Amino acid sequence: DSGVTQTPKHLITATGQRVTLRCSPRSGDLSVYWYQQSLDQGLQFLIQYYNGEERAKGNILERFSAQQFPDLHSELNLSSLELGDSALYFCASSVGLATPFPTDTQYFGPGTRLTVL
Amino acid sequence: GESVGLHLPTLSVQEGDNSIINCAYSNSASDYFIWYKQESGKGPQFIIDIRSNMDKRQGQRVTVLLNKTVKHLSLQIAATQPGDSAVYFCAENRGFYFGTGTSLTVIP
Repeated sequence: DSGVTQTPKHLITATGQRVTLRCSPRSGDLSVYWYQQSLDQGLQFLIQYYNGEERAKGNILERFSAQQFPDLHSELNLSSLELGDSALYFCASSVGLATPFPTDTQYFGPGTRLTVL
Repeated sequence: GESVGLHLPTLSVQEGDNSIINCAYSNSASDYFIWYKQESGKGPQFIIDIRSNMDKRQGQRVTVLLNKTVKHLSLQIAATQPGDSAVYFCAENRGFYFGTGTSLTVIP
């Protein structure tokens, strides 16, 4: 158990819908990262937050957004869903150094499996 | 663009043998590298890391080698066990790029 929790574990929805994925980081971790994992694309970095502020952005679509709240939990919002958005979405957390390129270990949650029908 | 890639998508080894998983990266500014293990149905799990000022780092049954000259990383697993069967990713801190990983299968 990494100490990172993600809800829900599974999510099935239809094209065009909007969903919210939730992540609670390990106690004391200030940085939260979101990743998308699909069979053909591997593990793709989406976005990083550090202590409530966006720190780095990866291959995140404009239809996707995220935020980190004062209690440090984070939500990833996916809207106008398409079939191709079906994937595993992982959240990770780290102590989080105040740099865009952290040099500390990321601890991954168990993931949310999103299926878009 | 900058990337971290895996040389081989799959690797099969006999139980008890040593495994070597390779990884190439192209961002010469990367200064921190991590190897992760992902078992089926689970999130990636940290194995070992190495900073760019080191060439080698050893953990329990695992060793990471870093060759900055050719931008190459390798993960060596000693006395591979069935529980080592998983997908292994290398990652670097600039770009957070993981790639598709290498699937290691241990044959009993």
